[in-house]
Amino acid sequence: AQTIHQWPVAEIKAVGSPLSLGCTIKGKSSPNLYWYWQATGGTLQQLFYSITVGQVESVVQLNLSASRPKDDQFILSTEKLLLSHSGFYLCAWIRGASAETLYFGSGTRLTVL
Amino acid sequence: GDSVTQTEGPVTVSESESLIINCTYSATSIAYPNLFWYVRYPGEGLQLLLKVITAGQKGSSRGFEATYNKETTSFHLQKASVQESDSAVYYCALGGNTNKVVFGTGTRLQVLP
Repeated sequence: AQTIHQWPVAEIKAVGSPLSLGCTIKGKSSPNLYWYWQATGGTLQQLFYSITVGQVESVVQLNLSASRPKDDQFILSTEKLLLSHSGFYLCAWIRGASAETLYFGSGTRLTVL
Repeated sequence: GDSVTQTEGPVTVSESESLIINCTYSATSIAYPNLFWYVRYPGEGLQLLLKVITAGQKGSSRGFEATYNKETTSFHLQKASVQESDSAVYYCALGGNTNKVVFGTGTRLQVLP
């Protein structure tokens, strides 16, 4: 069975500090991976997607970056956090190219002060 | 662009009452849209409730139903008799491009005992 693990569960960070969020998928080779973000009261927005190691496409510009260093790992990061980065970050993978069911991690709650 | 509009929450209904959460979509860059309802129960992760990939078809799960109506570009979620355990946040979503799934803002449903 496939499992998806996100870390950390929650972060409280200062404006201007760096950030790194992680996501690992086990039990599925070469998954399509996604980062989503939801501000409090906002829409779930797709930020990035990756279909293979080393390749990441940006969907929304939020002064964030993503990398896929391994087949089963997806990292979201920034050098300098903004207040507007606060929210809930979700990693997801898709099961099969045509089925398009997204399987989500449990998410990371980020508070920027 | 591609977008999803759904009933603004919170929606409060009493147990055994009927429910409808409206969802309409605009698929300007997707030739053959796929439609989804995702749900986040309290304390749980976001998960698929049901999906329909063919216009005119109906999807169902856990007593919920939604029909993909291409003419009205709608995918309303309905249940004849809700239970307290249905209290959750429901998201309508639009796909059809494996690299992009667009979500609505989510509708918080509270079912009163």
